[in-house]
Amino acid sequence: DTGVSQDPRHKITKRGQNVTFRCDPISEHNRLYWYRQTLGQGPEFLTYFQNEAQLEKSRLLSDRFSAERPKGSFSTLEIQRTEQGDSAMYLCASSIILNTIYFGEGSWLTVV
Amino acid sequence: AQRVTQPEKLLSVFKGAPVELKCNYSYSGSPELFWYVQYSRQRLQLLLRHISRESIKGFTADLNKGETSFHLKKPFAQEEDSAMYYCALTDSGGSNYKLTFGKGTLLTVNP
Repeated sequence: DTGVSQDPRHKITKRGQNVTFRCDPISEHNRLYWYRQTLGQGPEFLTYFQNEAQLEKSRLLSDRFSAERPKGSFSTLEIQRTEQGDSAMYLCASSIILNTIYFGEGSWLTVV
Repeated sequence: AQRVTQPEKLLSVFKGAPVELKCNYSYSGSPELFWYVQYSRQRLQLLLRHISRESIKGFTADLNKGETSFHLKKPFAQEEDSAMYYCALTDSGGSNYKLTFGKGTLLTVNP
């Protein structure tokens, strides 16, 4: 499968712990996006990168969240000091500029 | 602020019946509208976008700027159409980077 891949697919963590998710976009896609989806809601935009530059961050992305795309390829999303409200599906997506956005299968986070 | 409203959380129809999934939007600029679909245990994928004006899997959607709607229609529903459908928009004058999604409609097509 050469689509967007995310790891891990599921993560259960205790409140206060840090978690990191990884996203590998489709090769040659210069845009990479992170979305968050909670039960009963559609995906909500968090942030996006063009190559290695992070060009926009949503107000949903609190100071405890940080995303990187160091070499313009894979990206990581780290959540520090997790809270129960962080429990959600974290979706990664990628695209070539102005083209179709392709989504990964998502990483489920449960904070207990 | 941009917003997408899908008034129906659940929609159930019988196979062969017409289906219409409603989507209304609010946006002050010039939006580009999309329908995304998520089949069971699969990833979210693009179904269609209004600028392409194509019909995918028998589905069509017309952008009505007067009514700010982008309803998804299919004349004869099939069981394999059962899925979660999301309407989404972005700024057509921008760089297609930030999608705003509705909450989705779960379509069930009964045999």
